[in-house]
Amino acid sequence: SQTIHQWPATLVQPVGSPLSLECTVEGTSNPNLYWYRQAAGRGLQLLFYSVGIGQISSEVPQNLSASRPQDRQFILSSKKLLLSDSGFYLCAWSSLRDYTDTQYFGPGTRLTVL
Amino acid sequence: AQTVTQSQPEMSVQEAETVTLSCTYDTSESDYYLFWYKQPPSRQMILVIRQEAYKQQNATENRFSVNFQKAAKSFSLKISDSQLGDAAMYFCAYRSPLITNDKLIFGTGTRLQVFP
Repeated sequence: SQTIHQWPATLVQPVGSPLSLECTVEGTSNPNLYWYRQAAGRGLQLLFYSVGIGQISSEVPQNLSASRPQDRQFILSSKKLLLSDSGFYLCAWSSLRDYTDTQYFGPGTRLTVL
Repeated sequence: AQTVTQSQPEMSVQEAETVTLSCTYDTSESDYYLFWYKQPPSRQMILVIRQEAYKQQNATENRFSVNFQKAAKSFSLKISDSQLGDAAMYFCAYRSPLITNDKLIFGTGTRLQVFP
């Protein structure tokens, strides 16, 4: 069966510091991968999605970036964090073989920028 | 552009009772996919149920079922025999079948409380 992992689970970082969040998927190949952010008490905002290695689409211009160095690895990065980057970050995957493109989410990373 | 509306910010239900969460959406497409996700206090988003618009039969997953009214653009979630573990945020989501527009569009969520 497929599983999706995210780490770290919790992160507290000072303003201006770099960021690297990692997401990996097991049990499938060539997944579509997504990064979402959820501010406290709010809905989900799609940040990036990827249909293959090195293929990244950005939904919201900001100081975050994403990379997909391997088929089942998706990384969210920032060179300098802002206070507004605080939130809950969720990674999700979907299968090309599923015509409904149902997305399955990871456990998330809670990021606090101080 | 498609939109998803959840008009109930909060709902409550007694354990073992039934509750219905509302969701409406706006689209000009004839085929699409609809989803309900549950977000418990752990905040992991868990797929509850999905519906394909071309299917007239309402989807069912154990205690969870939907009332899909395509003409009314309504997609409500019914939870039967509510359990304490059902307490969570519930998000309705829409997805276009178009490859060029394959984002999930989420509603703002409904917080469900379950009382013993």
